[in-house]
Amino acid sequence: EAGVAQSPRYKIIEKRQSVAFWCNPISGHATLYWYQQILGQGPKLLIQFQNNGVVDDSQLPKDRFSAERLKGVDSTLKIQPAKLEDSAVYLCASSFLGYNEQFFGPGTRLTVL
Amino acid sequence: GDSVTQMEGPVTLSEEAFLTINCTYTATGYPSLFWYVQYPGEGLQLLLKATKADDKGSNKGFEATYRKETTSFHLEKGSVQVSDSAVYFCALTGGGAQKLVFGQGTRLTINP
Repeated sequence: EAGVAQSPRYKIIEKRQSVAFWCNPISGHATLYWYQQILGQGPKLLIQFQNNGVVDDSQLPKDRFSAERLKGVDSTLKIQPAKLEDSAVYLCASSFLGYNEQFFGPGTRLTVL
Repeated sequence: GDSVTQMEGPVTLSEEAFLTINCTYTATGYPSLFWYVQYPGEGLQLLLKATKADDKGSNKGFEATYRKETTSFHLEKGSVQVSDSAVYFCALTGGGAQKLVFGQGTRLTINP
C-alpha cells in the first residue's frame, strides 16, 4: 500500500517569496492534516481537513498561510509571503475517518533565507 | 489546553543498555497516547499507542503503560540496539479532537 506522498522534499526560497507544498494522502483516508515542525520541536497542527472541509485551522497564520483540499483527496499548502521564521519541516498526515492513528509523509523541508 | 512534556535530550546509551524516556501529559477527559519515532532522513512512524488507562502499548521491544494516576506514558526498552537511534516523540489526542499534540522530542543515540 502506498504511503502519504509529499513534494517537493526540499525547498529554499528568499523571504517574501511564495511557496507551495503538495500532499497526496493514503487512498481512502478522509482526514488530512498539515503539521509544522520547527527544528528541535515537536510537530504542531496547522490545519485539519475532513474530506474537503476544514475541521480545525485555529493555529494557521491566515494572513500568510492558506490550504485547500479540492475533491477531498490531494491537498496544497501555500505560504505567501514567507518569513524567516517559516523555516521548518512541513508534514502531511492522513487517517481514516474517526480513527486516531495518523500516517505521516516524509515532509518538505523549507529554508527561508 | 492539552500538552505533553518529554524528557530533555539528547540521550546517549551503549548497546544493550536499558532505556527509559519520560513523558507526562496534561489533558481534559481521557486522551489516547502515542509514541512516534523519526529515524534519520525518514518521516514520523507510529511506534506504539494506548487508548485507555492501564493499557500497555508495545512494539519492536518497546513498551509504554498509560498511567492515569500519574498522567504519564514513559517509553521503555530492555536492551537497545544501534538501530534504535532516532528521535522519539510522545503525543496525545483528546477532547474529541483527532489532532496530535506532540512533546518536543527526545534524540536517542546508541553507541556500539
